[in-house]
Amino acid sequence: GIQVEQSPPDLILQEGANSTLRCNFSDSVNNLQWFHQNPWGQLINLFYIPSGTKQNGRLSATTVATERYSLLYISSSQTTDSGVYFCAVVFNTDKLIFGTGTRLQVFP
Amino acid sequence: EAGVVQSPRYKIIEKKQPVAFWCNPISGHNTLYWYRQNLGQGPELLIRYENEEAVDDSQLPKDRFSAERLKGVDSTLKIQPAELGDSAVYLCASSPLGGVEAGTGYTFGSGTRLTVV
Repeated sequence: GIQVEQSPPDLILQEGANSTLRCNFSDSVNNLQWFHQNPWGQLINLFYIPSGTKQNGRLSATTVATERYSLLYISSSQTTDSGVYFCAVVFNTDKLIFGTGTRLQVFP
Repeated sequence: EAGVVQSPRYKIIEKKQPVAFWCNPISGHNTLYWYRQNLGQGPELLIRYENEEAVDDSQLPKDRFSAERLKGVDSTLKIQPAELGDSAVYLCASSPLGGVEAGTGYTFGSGTRLTVV
């Protein structure tokens, strides 16, 4: 089946720092989404981005579908950004296949 | 508008006991999903419903897991008997038909954290 790998697995930042999270996938996909899972376990949609670039406040994402990767940028990080970031892809069927996740900790 | 509602929030049971989880999706969302998330991993799909029909249950361990979605609204996921390895967070999500591929309206509940001792 399709493989979805994320890097780095863990990231520790001081407030105000910038970061880039990467998602690689092994096959062409119909859709790619980025999620944030907060420390209480709630999964929140961040971006639907099968291709191109989108921005939402301090977050932006870029997907290069032809090269099978996506990047999530976090600028001026805040403690509330802490949690686990997942990318998830849709491949052929109407279900999401999640990546391995990047655990982000932001300290004041 | 209320989001996807799951209960209970936490459950601790002894192995070999039965357990059930309940999910109420967003009103009007035809598609409902149950995912299992093991510690330190991403969620994995167990079953997907379109209205009341289970259209993808290939990852559901059918020897001990069962699910139903009566009247195409609320859903329950049951484990009987539970094993130690079933300890995980069970997440419910819902979307409009085709919402996953369109990237619209895909919403997760807060999950049920199951601990089997």
